[in-house]
Amino acid sequence: SQTIHQWPATLVQPVGSPLSLECTVEGTSNPNLYWYRQAAGRGLQLLFYSVGIGQISSEVPQNLSASRPQDRQFILSSKKLLLSDSGFYLCASDRATGELFFGEGSRLTVL
Amino acid sequence: AQSVTQPDIHITVSEGASLELRCNYSYGATPYLFWYVQSPGQGLQLLLKYFSGDTLVQGIKGFEAEFKRSQSSFNLRKPSVHWSDAAEYFCAAGPYGGSQGNLIFGKGTKLSVKP
Repeated sequence: SQTIHQWPATLVQPVGSPLSLECTVEGTSNPNLYWYRQAAGRGLQLLFYSVGIGQISSEVPQNLSASRPQDRQFILSSKKLLLSDSGFYLCASDRATGELFFGEGSRLTVL
Repeated sequence: AQSVTQPDIHITVSEGASLELRCNYSYGATPYLFWYVQSPGQGLQLLLKYFSGDTLVQGIKGFEAEFKRSQSSFNLRKPSVHWSDAAEYFCAAGPYGGSQGNLIFGKGTKLSVKP
């Protein structure tokens, strides 16, 4: 069965520091992969999605970037974090029927 | 514009009482519809989904949802709520054949359960 691993689970970073959140998927090949962010009271915001290695679509202009160096690896990065980057970041993959399968999330606090 | 609306931000029910969480969608065609549940600090788990056919769909943990085309609704129900059902619930709508980033989520309904 499909499993999504995210790390770190929790991260506290100062403003201006870099960020790297990693997501790996097991149990499937050539998945579509997604990064979502949840900020308090704002629901889920789609940040990036990828249909294959090196293919990234950005949904929202922001301080973040994504990369997909391997088929089942998806990385969310920032060169300089802002306070507004705080939130709960979720990696997901989808199935042919359109439903999303989520990882356990990474909680980022920027101080 | 396509949208998913969950009118209730927060609902409190007593343990053992019935539950109905509302979801309305605005979509060009009949979308695929989903309900997800999120426990604090966790990812989202799929409760159930509707693609076509029988408009009453059964999901995990004793939940069901009914698709009503005339009302553009997909409400989630449970006959008897358990304390462990306290969580946030998200309704979502997407196109046929894969989301490709087009899955639209409602803003969620937080469910509290009184003992």
